[in-house]
Amino acid sequence: NAGVTQTPKFQVLKTGQSMTLQCAQDMNHNSMYWYRQDPGMGLRLIYYSASEGTTDKGEVPNGYNVSRLNKREFSLRLESAAPSQTSVYFCAAAGLPHTDTQYFGPGTRLTVL
Amino acid sequence: ILNVEQSPQSLHVQEGDSTNFTCSFPSSNFYALHWYRWETAKSPEALFVMTLNGDEKKKGRISATLNTKEGYSYLYIKGSQPEDSATYLCAFRTGTASKLTFGTGTRLQVTL
Repeated sequence: NAGVTQTPKFQVLKTGQSMTLQCAQDMNHNSMYWYRQDPGMGLRLIYYSASEGTTDKGEVPNGYNVSRLNKREFSLRLESAAPSQTSVYFCAAAGLPHTDTQYFGPGTRLTVL
Repeated sequence: ILNVEQSPQSLHVQEGDSTNFTCSFPSSNFYALHWYRWETAKSPEALFVMTLNGDEKKKGRISATLNTKEGYSYLYIKGSQPEDSATYLCAFRTGTASKLTFGTGTRLQVTL
């Protein structure tokens, strides 16, 4: 039982390159989330998926797209990376309707040069 | 955009001290308040989820209280230990959203 997994752990991109961050959970949770963490800014929600087949914008969606491939997987895509997207990205999953405890993956550290 | 504020931003205490932090959130349309513990180079881990006004939760030396009418929650650590050093995040959910809004955290450093 791995919980929430993310790949890759580290990535360096050049400006304009594209990439997809992968997230998978084996907890059978309905909701999944993508956050970015920047110094002094805490965790900011990029996109989320309340259930399979739905996605919604969070606080900072510009420059990103997401796909809820199935109940287990939720990917985040950067179509044309910019230095402002240098950050640590966390995926999370939550399942219980009344508590919504979020379980976080280990994070992906992305640097855009 | 919902505003969740935490204070202080950082705190430095000695081993054995007791300490507390504050999380302030909008008091309208309240659904749940979460506390997470986030160690450096790791992922946030859930401490408590509180949903009712007056809720008190406890896990070992850490406890939390909730006042939904005035929009605040306190997290207490009794007899701080170096392993308590971490950033403590609170997060707020309204009744109309299935997402959390996080505060920027209180960074606690406990030294010997």
